[in-house]
Amino acid sequence: GDSVTQMEGPVTLSEEAFLTINCTYTATGYPSLFWYVQYPGEGLQLLLKATKADDKGSNKGFEATYRKETTSFHLEKGSVQVSDSAVYFCALSDQGNNRLAFGKGNQVVVIP
Amino acid sequence: DTEVTQTPKHLVMGMTNKKSLKCEQHMGHRAMYWYKQKAKKPPELMFVYSYEKLSINESVPSRFSPECPNSSLLNLHLHALQPEDSALYLCASSQDGGISGYTFGSGTRLTVV
Repeated sequence: GDSVTQMEGPVTLSEEAFLTINCTYTATGYPSLFWYVQYPGEGLQLLLKATKADDKGSNKGFEATYRKETTSFHLEKGSVQVSDSAVYFCALSDQGNNRLAFGKGNQVVVIP
Repeated sequence: DTEVTQTPKHLVMGMTNKKSLKCEQHMGHRAMYWYKQKAKKPPELMFVYSYEKLSINESVPSRFSPECPNSSLLNLHLHALQPEDSALYLCASSQDGGISGYTFGSGTRLTVV
């Protein structure tokens, strides 16, 4: 079945540092890929998406490229701010089957 | 309107109570979802309504009863819950089965005492 794997553990970094969160996936079809962000006490917000291979999703300084050859969709940001502290979930939707497969999520803590 | 609205934001209920969670969207999305999220975990799918018909039930206990009165509204009726049912309940909607993404509400924080 479809699955998403995110790197283990929280990520703690200083303000203005470079952020990378790894995400790899397994899917039977041609999935759409997403990054969702969840701020404390809130629901999930769609951060960015890519619907086909080689697409780059971007929003608020975050980027991720859909790499079919490595089945990856790593999230990057060049200079993080304290306000980026949140939990980040990688997810996929395969062929519009109304099922969204989530990774385990990564807590990102940005220290001033 | 690009939002999914959930009410109430917080709910405390006893194990013998009956309560309902409500969800509303006016984006014309034809699929709506209920998810349950425990602390520090990803959301878990509970139910899917597609074109106002229940299409997926992820073996959810019958003390949770979904209802879709029309294409904009989704309810989750709660009865005889257990303390382990305490969680954040998220509603979501999508236009195309999820291909272009889901829009999530801000959730209802449920505590069962």
